[in-house]
Amino acid sequence: EVVLTQSPATLPLSPGERATLSCRASQSITNYLAWYQQKPGQAPRLLIYDASNRATDIPARFSGSGSGTDFTLTISSLEPEDFAVYYCQQRSSWPLTFGGGTKVEVK
Amino acid sequence: EVQLVESGGGLVQPGGSLRLSCAASGFAFSNHVMNWVRQAPGKGLEWVSSLTGNGENTYYADSVKGRFTISRDNSKSTVHLQMNSLRAEDTAVYYCVRRSWPWGPFDIWGQGTMVTVSS
Repeated sequence: EVVLTQSPATLPLSPGERATLSCRASQSITNYLAWYQQKPGQAPRLLIYDASNRATDIPARFSGSGSGTDFTLTISSLEPEDFAVYYCQQRSSWPLTFGGGTKVEVK
Repeated sequence: EVQLVESGGGLVQPGGSLRLSCAASGFAFSNHVMNWVRQAPGKGLEWVSSLTGNGENTYYADSVKGRFTISRDNSKSTVHLQMNSLRAEDTAVYYCVRRSWPWGPFDIWGQGTMVTVSS
């Protein structure tokens, strides 16, 4: 099973600041990594797929990078609506797995 | 509008059964792998099960294998999750989720249905 480790668990930032979230896989998953955003009481939303491709209607301030085992989600300048929990997920092998999440909170 | 709507959640005793349903609309249902993902209260996301578009291939997390069964009816654009021998640790919001192409990411999520296993 591919274990995804996200860091940090919590990221306190202010609006306008840059957010950098990390996701590390226990083995190579090439680029089969996605990022999701979840707000309280809502279902997750796909942000990034295949490590660096923005999903439909996702703003350009969200970007993804990485390959193999190390991946990064960057939010270039935080908007008020970006404070949420972010999960990474791999589709390289079964079982499909998610990281434990990073909560981006208001500092 | 592309939409997934779950139903069937509720309170069930340990050892009991429950059947979740998900009604899809707005897309070519039979072309997509359909999935269930759950989230225990205050916890992260856990993939539960997947089913190919033709209904021939199923996949399960070890935590539910042998107890849960995923199925679909392409004529009605619905997918189901039959949950037997339920345990307290199965308590979660269950999301019905579409994969964007046969083996792509989870691109469309339902609103979720809550399952509580408790005596």
